[in-house]
Amino acid sequence: AQKITQTQPGMFVQEKEAVTLDCTYDTSDPSYGLFWYKQPSSGEMIFLIYQGSYDQQNATEGRYSLNFQKARKSANLVISASQLGDSAMYFCAMREGPGTSYGKLTFGQGTILTVHP
Amino acid sequence: GAGVSQSPRYKVAKRGQDVALRCDPISGHVSLFWYQQALGQGPEFLTYFQNEAQLDKSGLPSDRFFAERPEGSVSTLKIQRTQQEDSAVYLCASSSPGLDYEQYFGPGTRLTVT
Repeated sequence: AQKITQTQPGMFVQEKEAVTLDCTYDTSDPSYGLFWYKQPSSGEMIFLIYQGSYDQQNATEGRYSLNFQKARKSANLVISASQLGDSAMYFCAMREGPGTSYGKLTFGQGTILTVHP
Repeated sequence: GAGVSQSPRYKVAKRGQDVALRCDPISGHVSLFWYQQALGQGPEFLTYFQNEAQLDKSGLPSDRFFAERPEGSVSTLKIQRTQQEDSAVYLCASSSPGLDYEQYFGPGTRLTVT
């Protein structure tokens, strides 16, 4: 079974609008971390946001927020006020085990986001 | 340097050749990871080092793949007798233990095996 599932191969959004990228995960470990990375065409993986499994509040980083629904095992990324520079591939990833363990990540298949002017 | 660096950025190898890919992690980062990213896919874990110790090599796809980090800083991923299926981007990442949400990736090495 896939540990990280991203069901949207591609998404389109109008500049200045908000967009939600979906991610569901599968783990039996009570301690885990969820990550979102952005990968522009240059290829570098850029860390966006992190959510720990025991965090009570949804993580936010500037225009990025993570809609964490633990019971549904979903960790959707919300990008507000989209910009043209947000066009990229986005990956959801998971680390199983507590944060003190080493951070081997399992990635989803990715979602290509295209922002239209 | 300020970030993780990798060299070469691009490598073309003929099938059967050996290649060596280098990763310079962020200074002071104890943890170092190698990932393989096939075209259009998410990265897949290859191996993990804590300082010079290779603690997890469960993702290495075959015994043709070998990684080392002899002095606990620079790491080299070596692929022997390259095959076409080895064509991918190889990403290196580093972090500090307990702060793994700050896992920083390098730009990757794109390997093409012809």
